[in-house]
Order: sequence, then structure tokens, then C-alpha cells
Amino acid sequence: NAGVMQNPRHLVRRRGQEARLRCSPMKGHSHVYWYRQLPEEGLKFMVYLQKENIIDESGMPKERFSAEFPKEGPSILRIQQVVRGDSAAYFCASSQSAGGAGNEQFFGPGTRLTVL
Amino acid sequence: ILNVEQSPQSLHVQEGDSTNFTCSFPSSNFYALHWYRWETAKSPEALFVMTLNGDEKKKGRISATLNTKEGYSYLYIKGSQPEDSATYLCALDTGGFKTIFGAGTRLFVKA
Repeated sequence: NAGVMQNPRHLVRRRGQEARLRCSPMKGHSHVYWYRQLPEEGLKFMVYLQKENIIDESGMPKERFSAEFPKEGPSILRIQQVVRGDSAAYFCASSQSAGGAGNEQFFGPGTRLTVL
Repeated sequence: ILNVEQSPQSLHVQEGDSTNFTCSFPSSNFYALHWYRWETAKSPEALFVMTLNGDEKKKGRISATLNTKEGYSYLYIKGSQPEDSATYLCALDTGGFKTIFGAGTRLFVKA
């Protein structure tokens, strides 16, 4: 039973390029969360999605960042026109249910984005 | 802005020492509290989820307590071992969709 999968594990982009980060949740999980970990900081919530719906994107920067979780396929976090400040580790987590007690989130290994 | 505070930021102990650290959160926004263990180069793994005031959970040498009225939780490790070295994260579930993580306590256990 595969856990949460993220790819790529490492991504290098030049300023102005686009970054696409993929997350496949655990089997049977339809809730996906994206977090960002900046250097020397903890995990910061970005967005929560269910299949085909963005439920809470209050942690997403207003510009250049978008997320989707299509009916088929992985969840995608897309960063357009990357800047150096986007360099961070991006973690995806999935859960079987949303919010509340027992909502254990299972984390992927993360994608480390480096912007040159 | 909701804030989850963890202290200390880092902790160095000798093998065999018992240790504890704190997670503080706004009690008015409490729904559930999670503790995660995060080893370097791995992903966070869930340790406990607690919902009731006075809850105590235990897993082997690790245990946690919860006080929702005053807004804190303690994580205890009895007889620390080098393999306990990790970052311990607490996360507040406010009943909405967002989980708010603390910055973590980095534990180093020296053999």
C-alpha cells in the first residue's frame, strides 16, 4: 500500500520559469493538503483540496500560485514565473476525511524547489 | 492570526535522559491537537491526536498530555534514545480545513 507520493523530489528552476509539483495521495484518500517549509521555518498551510474542488486556499500567495486536484490523476501545485523566494520544500499530505478528530494526515516526502 | 508556539526550539539530551517539551495554542480555537515526529530527510509521521481536555496518550516511551482550558500540550520522552532524535511538531486543528503547525522542537539525543 503505497504512501503519499510526490514528484519530483528535487526541482531546479531559473527565475521566470514555471514549476509543477505533483502529489498522489494515499489510496482511498480524497483530501489533499499542500504545505510549504521555508528555510529555518515550520510547515505553513497553503491549500486544501478535495477531488476537483479547492476548499480552502487561504494560505496560498495571491499571485503566481495555483493548485488543482482533478478527477483523474495527481494533485498539482503550479508556480508560475518563479522567484528566488519560492525556494522551499513543498509537502503534500492526504487524509481519508476532512478536519476534526481522527483526521490523520499522511505526508509525502516533499519536493525541494531551488530557484536559481 | 492563529499561532501555535513550541518550546524549546531545540534540545540536546544524553541517552537515557527523560525530556519534555511544550506546545501552546489559543484555547478558544481548539478542536483537536496532533503531534507529529519528523526525522531528517523523511516526512512527518503522526504520533498522537488528542481532542479532550485531560487527554493522555502513550506510545512506547513517548506520551502526551492535553490541557484545552489553558491551551497547552506536553510531549514526554522517557529514557531518550539516539533514534528519538527528530523534530517534534504539534499541529492545531480548529475544526475547519486548515491545520496550523508549530515550528517544531528539534531533539538531539547523544549516545
